[in-house]
Amino acid sequence: NFMLTQPHSVSESPGKTVTISCTRSSGSIASNYVQWYQQRPGSAPTTVIYEDNQRPSGVPDRFSGSIDSSSNSASLTISGLKTEDEADYYCQSYDSSNVVFGGGTKLTVL
Amino acid sequence: QVQLVQSGAEVKKPGASVKVSCKASGYTFTSYGISWVRQAPGQGLEWMGWISAYNGNTNYAQKLQGRVTMTTDTSTSTAYMELRSLRSDDTAVYYCARDRQQLVLSDFDYWGQGTLVTVSS
Repeated sequence: NFMLTQPHSVSESPGKTVTISCTRSSGSIASNYVQWYQQRPGSAPTTVIYEDNQRPSGVPDRFSGSIDSSSNSASLTISGLKTEDEADYYCQSYDSSNVVFGGGTKLTVL
Repeated sequence: QVQLVQSGAEVKKPGASVKVSCKASGYTFTSYGISWVRQAPGQGLEWMGWISAYNGNTNYAQKLQGRVTMTTDTSTSTAYMELRSLRSDDTAVYYCARDRQQLVLSDFDYWGQGTLVTVSS
């Protein structure tokens, strides 16, 4: 089984841009889609990015996703940060028999 | 609109079993899979397994093999997750989530509200 590694926490000021990384331990990051979920305290996760770089309807275009085969990682970028973006963010991928979540990144907007 | 409504909180003793339900509405139940994901207090998300609502095929996380069973009742559009031989480290919020694919693992587009299971003597 592969693992997905995320930074434990990131912080940035309102209006700025932040990028959260998600590195796959084995196998190609491009072999299966990567998703990103936002989770606020006391709530279920919601999707902000699916299939590497697709935004569900209702998610603002300040959220974008990408993958980089050279570093075998995926990234979630949030531009024009708002205080409401403060939350935990999880990357997720899968293979034929397993679903894997990253450990989560706590985003602080201060 | 798509909704997944889970059963209420449970308190169980070590060694007991728990069965959590997840009632789906607003879509054709058999056109998607259902995964179960848990989150221990202050911890991250852990995938437990998946069931195809179309044919009942399952895929369980290796660490839970032998202790977990996932089933569906297509007549009521309800998915169930039973966890046996409960331990204190099974204390968590348990979520059901709709898989965007019918027959294979994928990602999740709708989630239940979560069910807190507390294991304590």
